[in-house]
Amino acid sequence: DTGVSQDPRHKITKRGQNVTFRCDPISEHNRLYWYRQTLGQGPEFLTYFQNEAQLEKSRLLSDRFSAERPKGSFSTLEIQRTEQGDSAMYLCASSLYLNTEAFFGQGTRLTVV
Amino acid sequence: DAKTTQPTSMDCAEGRAANLPCNHSTISGNEYVYWYRQIHSQGPQYIIHGLKNNETNEMASLIITEDRKSSTLILPHATLRDTAVYYCIVRSGGGADGLTFGKGTHLIIQP
Repeated sequence: DTGVSQDPRHKITKRGQNVTFRCDPISEHNRLYWYRQTLGQGPEFLTYFQNEAQLEKSRLLSDRFSAERPKGSFSTLEIQRTEQGDSAMYLCASSLYLNTEAFFGQGTRLTVV
Repeated sequence: DAKTTQPTSMDCAEGRAANLPCNHSTISGNEYVYWYRQIHSQGPQYIIHGLKNNETNEMASLIITEDRKSSTLILPHATLRDTAVYYCIVRSGGGADGLTFGKGTHLIIQP
């Protein structure tokens, strides 16, 4: 197993543009999580899926953000009309239902200029 | 989830045991203590977790006080690759939904 994979690793975009990130979890992990991390801070929870169902969304997930996991495998996180405050590392993690250990990917670093 | 308090930073000499403290005085009976670490430019990595009893795995040991209000993560023989930010998290149940990472302890292993 190659672990949690995120693509792209880095993304630079102009303010106002839309961006989409992809996360491929460890196969057979039915829970998938998205976190955001800004410089000098710990990761902050955004949302999570169990299979294809989005079960929880943080108040940090504004209406410009949308996440999907259409077939219960990979997930995408889209940010519309990006703002400079969206610049951060976006982390994806996966785990087995009721399993205690979550595996994180290396993240996608977004820079909005 | 209960709040945790950790020192901002710590140094440890290579080869020595690194002892990272965490206070969680408001922990409730069904909450576990988890430790994750984050090496620079990588995603967090699970280390260990426990409820009441001390735990040990191939990476570390977790010592939880009898009143469960504090705990210590022990890296028995620290190496330079253990330089990272270490996060102590208290939560009920497993998974990674809604983990509150805080700012953690930046552990620097000195050669």
